[in-house]
Amino acid sequence: ETGVTQSPTHLIKTRGQQVTLRCSSQSGHNTVSWYQQALGQGPQFIFQYYREEENGRGNFPPRFSGLQFPNYSSELNVNALELDDSALYLCASSLDSGAGETQYFGPGTRLLVL
Amino acid sequence: GQSLEQPSEVTAVEGAIVQINCTYQTSGFYGLSWYQQHDGGAPTFLSYNALDGLEETGRFSSFLSRSDSYGYLLLQELQMKDSASYFCAVLRDNKLIFGAGTRLAVHP
Repeated sequence: ETGVTQSPTHLIKTRGQQVTLRCSSQSGHNTVSWYQQALGQGPQFIFQYYREEENGRGNFPPRFSGLQFPNYSSELNVNALELDDSALYLCASSLDSGAGETQYFGPGTRLLVL
Repeated sequence: GQSLEQPSEVTAVEGAIVQINCTYQTSGFYGLSWYQQHDGGAPTFLSYNALDGLEETGRFSSFLSRSDSYGYLLLQELQMKDSASYFCAVLRDNKLIFGAGTRLAVHP
């Protein structure tokens, strides 16, 4: 167990809808990263938050947005859902944003867009 | 661009040793990590090589050679529970860039 939790575990949405996924990091971990993992692929970096500020972003459109809160929780919001957004969404927390920090993953939210 | 290449599948028997290779085409990264992921589960951290050479953690060892753009994960005394997907990932600009993963099947 990594101490990182995510909710919900599974979610079904229809194209065009909006979704909010939640993550609770390990206490004391100031950094949270979000990843999208399509079936049979490795996780793809979406963005990272450090002390409630965005601290890096991958190649994802602006309809993917996030928030980090002072209580070590965070959100991933996706607007205007597309069929290709169907994937496992993982959050990972780390103590800090420095090089070499181990990232601890939550169990993920499996999103299906119909 | 940045890419990591791993074999898609590896098969081995219980008690054997298996090596999963990872070659990469990226620069300026901090280190090479390995993660294990069981079906339906989350990636679990196995090891991290910041420097060239071998890192040993129990039955698992990981190696990095920056001059060869190459690393590997070595699993010894294989057990059935080691059947999972294994991902190499480089840490660059505070983000992990993952390979597509190697699916390891351990048979009796």
